Amino acid sequence: EPEVTQTPSHQVTQMGQEVILRCVPISNHLYFYWYRQILGQKVEFLVSFYNNEISEKSEIFDDQFSVERPDGSNFTLKIRSTKLEDSAMYFCASRYQEIYYEQYFGPGTRLTVT
Amino acid sequence: SQKIEQNSEALNIQEGKTATLTCNYTNYSPAYLQWYRQDPGRGPVFLLLIRENEKEKRKERLKVTFDTTLKQSLFHITASQPADSATYLCALEGGSQGNLIFGKGTKLSVKP
Repeated sequence: EPEVTQTPSHQVTQMGQEVILRCVPISNHLYFYWYRQILGQKVEFLVSFYNNEISEKSEIFDDQFSVERPDGSNFTLKIRSTKLEDSAMYFCASRYQEIYYEQYFGPGTRLTVT
Repeated sequence: SQKIEQNSEALNIQEGKTATLTCNYTNYSPAYLQWYRQDPGRGPVFLLLIRENEKEKRKERLKVTFDTTLKQSLFHITASQPADSATYLCALEGGSQGNLIFGKGTKLSVKP
């Protein structure tokens, strides 16, 4: 069964450093998302991506964040200058069509900012 | 603003019993609602989707109801097993691009 993959599984970085989280969505999916989950809290939407551009973003997704789909398979989330409060699990998800279709989530990247 | 509440943070039941989880929402008229399962340290896994014009949906031991008048969904697991122990998340569409707004989840523990 096709699945979303994410790398790395765990990333430790120092405050102020840049990190890139990588995802490979399911190949025939059209919509891509990033979510985050701070420990003990709910899953929160960050950004959606469709047709090679950001289609929607939340208040969390400020200028420190960016997304890219550099080729036909990878989907990346970059945090330019990490803060302590960026420590969280980051999940990539993809969906075949926009409406009435479930999202497939990756296993997540645990980001720890020290 | 839109709000999703899953009333119970935790639910403990005996194996073989039916687990019933509740999801309420306010300031919202979703076209559909989804339920996901999340195990510790893992990503959410899709379970069921129910549309606004559907009252009930079933999949094996799972059943979901959707009452748009009460603004509530109920999620049932019949003949529960210890392997059903996990956190169950209710999710609604958050925007035109299909992003999801999640509830905090209900942690279900099924004791043998």
